[in-house]
Amino acid sequence: DAGITQSPRHKVTETGTPVTLRCHQTENHRYMYWYRQDPGHGLRLIHYSYGVKDTDKGEVSDGYSVSRSKTEDFLLTLESATSSQTSVYFCAISESGSSTDTQYFGPGTRLTVL
Amino acid sequence: TQLLEQSPQFLSIQEGENLTVYCNSSSVFSSLQWYRQEPGEGPVLLVTVVTGGEVKKLKRLTFQFGDARKDSSLHITAAQPGDTGLYLCAGDLTGGSYIPTFGRGTSLIVHP
Repeated sequence: DAGITQSPRHKVTETGTPVTLRCHQTENHRYMYWYRQDPGHGLRLIHYSYGVKDTDKGEVSDGYSVSRSKTEDFLLTLESATSSQTSVYFCAISESGSSTDTQYFGPGTRLTVL
Repeated sequence: TQLLEQSPQFLSIQEGENLTVYCNSSSVFSSLQWYRQEPGEGPVLLVTVVTGGEVKKLKRLTFQFGDARKDSSLHITAAQPGDTGLYLCAGDLTGGSYIPTFGRGTSLIVHP
């Protein structure tokens, strides 16, 4: 299994509070991704990174920011959590970022915003 | 608008039955991937197809990429309870740095 961990694995928070989710990899892969998964929508890309301090927006980036100060860590921040951000969040890594490369997914973080 | 449509959305079958799930789009994909996701876990890549008409086999699973690279199918022969899970297809529309587009998935339950 690829070395990807996500923390926390579960979190309950209140509307309006900031939340940071962490993704940590031990594979030294260049590309890292944050997705959210919701019933009826499948997996949707929030942000991705193609190197240290190099990030770009995905399909559903509003309300989210990311940072990558080290190869191994990719942080997702909800500046002011809303109930619509209740979801399961997955981090993924990829060595080359190409469409034929394997994306390895972490175990997910279940976030509930009350 | 969902760029990748998967069907059926749900499938409940008995062990030993065969099944096919579909992934369709009106757009051409440079490549397409199939993943399986078990409850409480992240998706795991099963296969990548890149050439129109390509067929790949993984034990009892057969994957096909349409000739026009707009659709794909996954056929499972003699399904087993261990095949239970969410099957997702994901495609690359851009052909450049991979920004995957995922379908909503087919949830499969195989009863013993």
